[in-house]
Amino acid sequence: SQKIEQNSEALNIQEGKTATLTCNYTNYSPAYLQWYRQDPGRGPVFLLLIRENEKEKRKERLKVTFDTTLKQSLFHITASQPADSATYLCALGSENAGNNRKLIWGLGTSLAVNP
Amino acid sequence: GAGVSQTPSNKVTEKGKYVELRCDPISGHTALYWYRQSLGQGPEFLIYFQGTGAADDSGLPNDRFFAVRPEGSVSTLKIQRTERGDSAVYLCASSSFSGSVGEQFFGPGTRLTVL
Repeated sequence: SQKIEQNSEALNIQEGKTATLTCNYTNYSPAYLQWYRQDPGRGPVFLLLIRENEKEKRKERLKVTFDTTLKQSLFHITASQPADSATYLCALGSENAGNNRKLIWGLGTSLAVNP
Repeated sequence: GAGVSQTPSNKVTEKGKYVELRCDPISGHTALYWYRQSLGQGPEFLIYFQGTGAADDSGLPNDRFFAVRPEGSVSTLKIQRTERGDSAVYLCASSSFSGSVGEQFFGPGTRLTVL
């Protein structure tokens, strides 16, 4: 069955450092991969999308890579700030019939940026 | 409203009771998704609507779960004969159909507790 794994342990880093989160998947060939941020008591908020034919995407302090051979995505936050502390979720999607964009989600990685 | 809204924010019910959870998507978004999220887990797909029709209900766990979207806007998730295992946060998301993959906009969720 499809399986998505993210960093199992919570990530604690010092302010100003780069946070790197991983997302590995098996038994799946996604057409695209998305990263979301989720704060306690709130729904996920979209951050970045990367397609299977793209290797890297950037947005401000965020960078995502996608390696379909390794079946892995890396999510980087550079110059991290305490406000970046949250749970980060990766989600995979396919081009399903009827434009169904349902997403298959990882468990999320909790990131804490210490001042 | 500007975003996806869900009501109620919290629902406590007794085992065996019937509950309805409501989702108001972003105006003009034709795609609507229901997900369920348990503590420490990623969202789990339940059902996808394109307009008024349920295009994919493969994630509904059993026939106690049903969802409608009669006018292609507001959606209601209905759970009959609730069980303790139904306790979770129920998330609704909407997106626009532009022919290309895009982000999903999530509501804050309804926390359902079945006693």
